Amino acid sequence: GQQLNQSPQSMFIQEGEDVSMNCTSSSIFNTWLWYKQDPGEGPVLLIALYKAGELTSNGRLTAQFGITRKDSFLNISASIPSDVGIYFCAGPNPNSGYALNFGKGTSLLVTP
Amino acid sequence: NAGVTQTPKFRVLKTGQSMTLLCAQDMNHEYMYWYRQDPGMGLRLIHYSVGEGTTAKGEVPDGYNVSRLKKQNFLLGLESAAPSQTSVYFCASSYSAGNYEQYFGPGTRLTVT
Repeated sequence: GQQLNQSPQSMFIQEGEDVSMNCTSSSIFNTWLWYKQDPGEGPVLLIALYKAGELTSNGRLTAQFGITRKDSFLNISASIPSDVGIYFCAGPNPNSGYALNFGKGTSLLVTP
Repeated sequence: NAGVTQTPKFRVLKTGQSMTLLCAQDMNHEYMYWYRQDPGMGLRLIHYSVGEGTTAKGEVPDGYNVSRLKKQNFLLGLESAAPSQTSVYFCASSYSAGNYEQYFGPGTRLTVT
C-alpha cells in the first residue's frame, strides 16, 4: 500500500501548549482520517476529511486536508492531560475493499 | 449500541496451538476488517470482508484464516500459532463501499510462547 509518513514520532509537552503533527503520502488521497488510540484501547476516529483544502474541527482538534492531496495536518489547541495517546493518520488502501493504510503514529505525552 | 466488540481480550498460546478470535458489530456494517498492531509498525491489514460470505486477503494474511458466515460477525483463526503472531489484533467495520470511516473494537492481546 501507499507509504504514510507521520511526524513527529513523539512529542512531550506541557499542559496548555498547542500541538501540531502531520502526515504525508507517496500518492494522492481522496480521503484523510485521524484516529487517537488510548493505552490498551482501540483507535477512535477523530476527524475525517474528504476534500483538498478542507479544514475541519472537533472541539480543540483541527485537521486539514492539504491542497496537494498528499498531506494532512492535525492541530490540538490548549492541550490537557487526557490528550495523551497515540495519534494516527490514515488514508485509503484502494487494493483492499476500502481498508486503510495507517501511519506509524505520533505519541503524545502531556505533563500537568 | 455496543459498536464493535472482540473476544477474548487476552490470550496466551503455545507454539502450534490454534484459536479463533471473534469480532461482532451491531451497526449493520457491510465491511469488516482484521488488523494487527506491532510496536513501531502501525496497523497492518490481515484480511477483510465486503459482505456476508465473502473474504479477501490483506497485506499480511499468511498464517491466518477468516470467515464471515453472518453479517455481524467476522472470525479470525490461527491454525498453528507461531511466536511471530504475538501481537495486538483489532477488528474494525465500516458502513459500505465508498465510506472509509472505520470503527474499531478494543483489541485482543495475543502472546505466543
